[in-house]
Amino acid sequence: AQSVTQLGSHVSVSEGALVLLRCNYSSSVPPYLFWYVQYPNQGLQLLLKYTSAATLVKGINGFEAEFKKSETSFHLTKPSAHMSDAAEYFCAITRSNDYKLSFGAGTTVTVRA
Amino acid sequence: DVKVTQSSRYLVKRTGEKVFLECVQDMDHENMFWYRQDPGLGLRLIYFSYDVKMKEKGDIPEGYSVSREKKERFSLILESASTNQTSMYLCASSQLNGANQPQHFGDGTRLSIL
Repeated sequence: AQSVTQLGSHVSVSEGALVLLRCNYSSSVPPYLFWYVQYPNQGLQLLLKYTSAATLVKGINGFEAEFKKSETSFHLTKPSAHMSDAAEYFCAITRSNDYKLSFGAGTTVTVRA
Repeated sequence: DVKVTQSSRYLVKRTGEKVFLECVQDMDHENMFWYRQDPGLGLRLIYFSYDVKMKEKGDIPEGYSVSREKKERFSLILESASTNQTSMYLCASSQLNGANQPQHFGDGTRLSIL
């Protein structure tokens, strides 16, 4: 069964510093992978998705993620953190042969001034 | 723009009550989902529907049922609410054509069972 593991439940970064959120996946078939962001008191918003077209995927708000098959990873990065990036981030993978998603436990990002 | 609307942002109910959570999407999506979100557990799928009157159990369906009488509306029902159902509930929808289609989420309903 397809699954993802997010490493680190909390990440704290300084404003202007690199944001790196880690996600490793397990899949018996070529995966579809997603990163979502959840701001306080809101639902989830799609940041970006990997669907095998390109290994480096650019998303909204300056985020990008790189699919590395050899490392079974799909880490999310942003070169320079902004205060507005404070949120919870979820990695997700499509389960085989259907439309359901399996989500990681989430990583909460705090940005220090 | 894409819109998934959940009827209540906050809801307080009592143990044993029958509780209805409503979700409407305006994107003509075939797939609709109900999740619950708990700290440290991410999102867990309760039920899924891929068409009107069709439903499929997710990972944690016990204590819940769903109804989809119209394509745009997907209701989650707590038959007899219990305190362990206190949680954030999220509705989502997606297109049918391809597993690479992203899901679009509503803002959630924070449900407290007293």
